[in-house]
Amino acid sequence: QLQLQESGPGLVKPSETLSLTCTVSGGSISSGTYYWGWIRQPPGKGLEWIGNIYYSGGTYYNPSLKSRVTISVDTSRSQFSLKLNSVTAADTAVYYCARRQPLAYFDYWGQGTLVTVSS
Amino acid sequence: QSALTQPASVSGSPGQSITISCTGTSSDVGSYNLVSWYQQHPGKAPKLMIYEGSKRPSGVSNRFSGSKSGNTASLTISGLQAEDEADYYCCSYAGGSIVLFGGGTKLTVL
Repeated sequence: QLQLQESGPGLVKPSETLSLTCTVSGGSISSGTYYWGWIRQPPGKGLEWIGNIYYSGGTYYNPSLKSRVTISVDTSRSQFSLKLNSVTAADTAVYYCARRQPLAYFDYWGQGTLVTVSS
Repeated sequence: QSALTQPASVSGSPGQSITISCTGTSSDVGSYNLVSWYQQHPGKAPKLMIYEGSKRPSGVSNRFSGSKSGNTASLTISGLQAEDEADYYCCSYAGGSIVLFGGGTKLTVL
């Protein structure tokens, strides 16, 4: 059974960089079929797609976040990572990693991790 | 691109059927049969319920069904059960590897 687990700091200061890692187990991150994505959910609000990456490194980002986001992959560690710079309180959210199928749906999700932006 | 439009809330009694709509544009919902639906219970990660508009993953009850007409996709839950009470989100492909989520709908089972 495929499992994804987010990890990283739960508190980030305004203007700094949010960094999270997703570790994939029970399956290969290097499968040529899937994309690996990040989605976030501010407290009490809806889901927002951040971006995704292919195992070979090709990336696609939400246009509204593109200038601040970097997603990378480390196949040797079966991990992919999210960096979001110049954060503000509006970036406070639960961040999920997920496997994305080629036909644009997310079939496996991590449990999510809350990141709070505050000084 | 803007988020897809869903009703903020719907409700129904046990055994009844409800439908949640998801309205997009001719650039997303209307152009692709690639709408997915997710169920989210409080404090939990979203769970895939419908993909490619009307397909159910293994293990999802056949009480859940999806459809589309024009720029609007719909999720129907028949034979409502207490355990169906949750938030539901639609998601559509919008081209260029971009996906859009709806704002979410809170389902209350009366």
